[in-house]
Amino acid sequence: DAGVTQSPTHLIKTRGQQVTLRCSPISGHKSVSWYQQVLGQGPQFIFQYYEKEERGRGNFPDRFSARQFPNYSSELNVNALLLGDSALYLCASSMDRYYGYTFGSGTRLTVV
Amino acid sequence: AQSVTQPDIHITVSEGASLELRCNYSYGATPYLFWYVQSPGQGLQLLLKYFSGDTLVQGIKGFEAEFKRSQSSFNLRKPSVHWSDAAEYFCAVGSPFGGSQGNLIFGKGTKLSVKP
Repeated sequence: DAGVTQSPTHLIKTRGQQVTLRCSPISGHKSVSWYQQVLGQGPQFIFQYYEKEERGRGNFPDRFSARQFPNYSSELNVNALLLGDSALYLCASSMDRYYGYTFGSGTRLTVV
Repeated sequence: AQSVTQPDIHITVSEGASLELRCNYSYGATPYLFWYVQSPGQGLQLLLKYFSGDTLVQGIKGFEAEFKRSQSSFNLRKPSVHWSDAAEYFCAVGSPFGGSQGNLIFGKGTKLSVKP
């Protein structure tokens, strides 16, 4: 069975640009969450979507946005990139919280 | 404020030795508790989780964790470490209530090195 898939795996962007990261959850999983992991730190929650509705938002600026599609895949958008946005962006999916969350391998974003 | 503390940034153990990684949390109620492992450049793999019931939880790869309510702790243990266990380990808590299901709060992680 395919796990959580994220694309692209690596990305280099220039300050001020915009980026879109993609996530396909495990088949049957309706919940998708996004996390930012800065080097040397634990992941920080950005967004959670369930059945295409936003169910949670972390302490991130409005430059960060996301959406979930009818097939439960999701996109994370970041506008006006800053150097500090350089991080590993992780997507996690679940059927519901009782089953835990399965993470993808992430997208490594470097802003130069 | 809700938080997770992993007091040990880096631990080195010899192969075959026992391991205990510490995790303490601050939360308004008893949260859902998780341990994840991350190999370099990879995503997170769930080792085990605790929601309720028996306070000793068995996970994958021979790991177990014990929930101690009085100490607000959820320490991860393994009786005999293998070289392949070298990785970074993250403790996380989640809300036991409704609402934002995906809002896990992670500790900063403990990096485990294994000596041959």
